[in-house]
Formats: sequence, structure tokens, C-alpha cells
Amino acid sequence: EDQVTQSPEALRLQEGESSSLNCSYTVSGLRGLFWYRQDPGKGPEFLFTLYSAGEKKEKERLKATLTKKESFLHITAPKPEDSATYLCAVQGVAAGKSTFGDGTTLTVKP
Amino acid sequence: DTAVSQTPKYLVTQMGNDKSIKCEQNLGHDTMYWYKQDSKKFLKIMFSYNNKELIINETVPNRFSPKSPDKAHLNLHINSLELGDSAVYFCASSQDPASGSPLHFGNGTRLTVT
Repeated sequence: EDQVTQSPEALRLQEGESSSLNCSYTVSGLRGLFWYRQDPGKGPEFLFTLYSAGEKKEKERLKATLTKKESFLHITAPKPEDSATYLCAVQGVAAGKSTFGDGTTLTVKP
Repeated sequence: DTAVSQTPKYLVTQMGNDKSIKCEQNLGHDTMYWYKQDSKKFLKIMFSYNNKELIINETVPNRFSPKSPDKAHLNLHINSLELGDSAVYFCASSQDPASGSPLHFGNGTRLTVT
């Protein structure tokens, strides 16, 4: 069964203080690893898809990387508006569905 | 022009009642899903439909019955509601799961059973 573990559970940063979120996974045949952002009272919003080890994607202050066992979401010089819960999910060939981690709740203080 | 919309946003009801949640997507996707998010933010798949056909049915009590009248709509009917059913239910759609397409979520329905 596909599994996703995210760490840390919560992360508090000062504005401008860069850091990384971790997503460790086990999957039988990776179709894709996904990062989503979820704001309170909203549905998860898609950020990135990574398909193979070594792949990198960037969007504004966010950069996602992928190895065969884990993915990192790097946040460079975060701003308060980056505060949200970040969810990682994997989709395996066998399962045919997305399996989510518990998420990392990021708080960026001004 | 919301991509995935669900109604109602909030649902408060008593134990034993029957309720429905509706979902519509205008993205032209073939696959739609119901996910349940518990109080700890964990998202778990319940059902998946591809072009009106049920393809994933996780271990969900029979009290939950999805219905897809067409590929743009997926509804969820819940019978005999229990306290443990309280959660946020998300509808989602994707273009082509077989090629690793991402999910597009609605904004959820917060169900509270008293």
C-alpha cells in the first residue's frame, strides 16, 4: 500500500527565513508526486507535479525536488501570505488513486 | 466560473437523518472523486468515478452512496448519519489519473452531526 509521511507537522518561520518541508513516500510504481496548498476553509490547491527522481519545479518562492524516496518543498524568503497547510500526495500505478500525507502547517510571522 | 463547486458549504444535522451533498465540475474532466478530511487534516479517498462508472470504492460504510448522473456531476448521499461522520467532504476531479494528472478540489462541505 502506498504511504506518505510529511515532516515537520508544523513549522513557524520569520518572514524571510528560508526552510524546507519533507515528504517521504513508498509507492509501487510512481505515476506522480503532487504538492498542494490548503488555506483554512478551502480545498487543496494544486502546486506541482513531479514524475521522476531528479526532477525540479519552481513557482515564485517555492521549489519542489524529488528523489526516489522523498520530496522537498523549499520555501525561499517566505512571506506571511505563504502561511497555509502544505499537502504531499503520491499516485502509484497499482493503486490508481492519490494517497495523501498528513500535511505540514506553515506559519510565517511578519 | 468556479471549476469544482459543491453544495452546501455547511451542513448541520442530527444523528439518524439522511443528507446529500452535490458536486459539479466544468473542467471537462472524466474522473471525479469524494475525499473525506478529518479533524487532523488527513485526506482519505472514499469513491472515484470515471465517466459515470464507479472505479474506486474504499472501505466506506454502505450508508454512503455516491451517484453520478453524468460525468460533470457526482453526488453523495448519506443515510442514518452518525456522530463519526462529522468531517469535511471534498469533491475533486482530474483529467487523466492514468497519466498522473493532479486533482482539482472544490471548497468542501463541512458536515456536523449532533
